[in-house]
Amino acid sequence: EVQLVESGGDLVQPGGSLRLSCAASGFTFSRYWMHWVRQAPGKGLVWVSRISTDGSSTSYADSVKGRFTISRDNAKNTLYLQMNSLRAEDSAVYYCAFYTATLPQGFDCWGQGTLVTVSS
Amino acid sequence: DIVMTQSPDSLAVSLGERAAINCKSSQSVLYSSNNKNYLAWYQQKPGQPPKLLISWASTRESGVPDRFSGSGSGTDFTLTISSLQAEDVAVYYCQQCYTTPYTFGQGTKLEIK
Repeated sequence: EVQLVESGGDLVQPGGSLRLSCAASGFTFSRYWMHWVRQAPGKGLVWVSRISTDGSSTSYADSVKGRFTISRDNAKNTLYLQMNSLRAEDSAVYYCAFYTATLPQGFDCWGQGTLVTVSS
Repeated sequence: DIVMTQSPDSLAVSLGERAAINCKSSQSVLYSSNNKNYLAWYQQKPGQPPKLLISWASTRESGVPDRFSGSGSGTDFTLTISSLQAEDVAVYYCQQCYTTPYTFGQGTKLEIK
């Protein structure tokens, strides 16, 4: 069974840092591009970042570029999101997700999410 | 960035009636080399992650009831629920996967009238 389990969400002060993890199981993690998507409380979905299978290619939403870094450890089947210089508007549930098809047809696999709250 | 705009923002439909949600992209998401529209539809219920319903604008995912259908091409798309059931109450999102950032529409809240 495909499983994605996010962790690392917490209450953090503005300007602080946090690292999210997404533990993958039930599939060959190293074969898939992985993504982070976030959702502020009561708001819509926002794509945040993606990383290629070997980690050599990354992409970010403008709102997080220069502050967030996506990475992966294929030996540990784990995806990461390093979040620096956090702002109140970064408060959200963060999901890791991926698509199982060869081409990006939409994310058919999602974790349950981890909550990040940025507040003093 | 490609902007995705859904309409309406909310919708109330009687049980058994048809519901239609529209999604418009600010530029075409049709990839000419393979004639595929990189457009997905999701359903999200409270406290749950989104569930992929439709990919490639019109391909229903495995296990999705056939009352859900997707149509459209280029910049204009529609998700249709042919006969609304109580369990369809949710927020629905479209998303383009044509180019990063893979932007989502703002969501449409579907309720029972």
